[in-house]
Amino acid sequence: DVKVTQSSRYLVKRTGEKVFLECVQDMDHENMFWYRQDPGLGLRLIYFSYDVKMKEKGDIPEGYSVSREKKERFSLILESASTNQTSMYLCASTPGGFRGETQYFGPGTRLLVL
Amino acid sequence: QKEVEQDPGPLSVPEGAIVSLNCTYSNSAFQYFMWYRQYSRKGPELLMYTYSSGNKEDGRFTAQVDKSSKYISLFIRDSQPSDSATYLCAMSAGGQNFVFGPGTRLSVLP
Repeated sequence: DVKVTQSSRYLVKRTGEKVFLECVQDMDHENMFWYRQDPGLGLRLIYFSYDVKMKEKGDIPEGYSVSREKKERFSLILESASTNQTSMYLCASTPGGFRGETQYFGPGTRLLVL
Repeated sequence: QKEVEQDPGPLSVPEGAIVSLNCTYSNSAFQYFMWYRQYSRKGPELLMYTYSSGNKEDGRFTAQVDKSSKYISLFIRDSQPSDSATYLCAMSAGGQNFVFGPGTRLSVLP
């Protein structure tokens, strides 16, 4: 079974803090994704990475950056947290290639920015 | 118009009912269609995966894709209280660009 884990289930941070969210997958997947999920808006892609040190912006990258130094690990960084970044953050991974591979999700991190 | 539309619900049904969940989409390039189930405060888990048009059955779950109408459905037979969750449809044209519906919240009442 594919396992995608996220470093925290719940986080409370203050406005202006730097926040790190970590994601690890154990299936040697090439592709990793960060989404945020908000009521009524569904999942929105923040960034994705198709290889170590490679990244591409998704639909809503503003205010976020990412890091992928190792294949199994993909980090999302909020440089200066703001209240509008309060959300559920979901990490996902897929194998490589260009077929419609399904995504495997982590349990999510619920972030509250005060 | 959003690329993928899905009625957010909530949808409440009695135990044992047949549930029909639906999504419509606008991009005719979509070929891969997925349904995810998401329990409260958890990540989505893959339920069904279909390529192109047609039906796929897995136990109590049936996924249907009608590409001519740009319409996909998930049917749940003999629904159980444990089926209470949010159901997300997702689709892709291939590659790594997935588009998700906002999810339908389902409650199955005992």
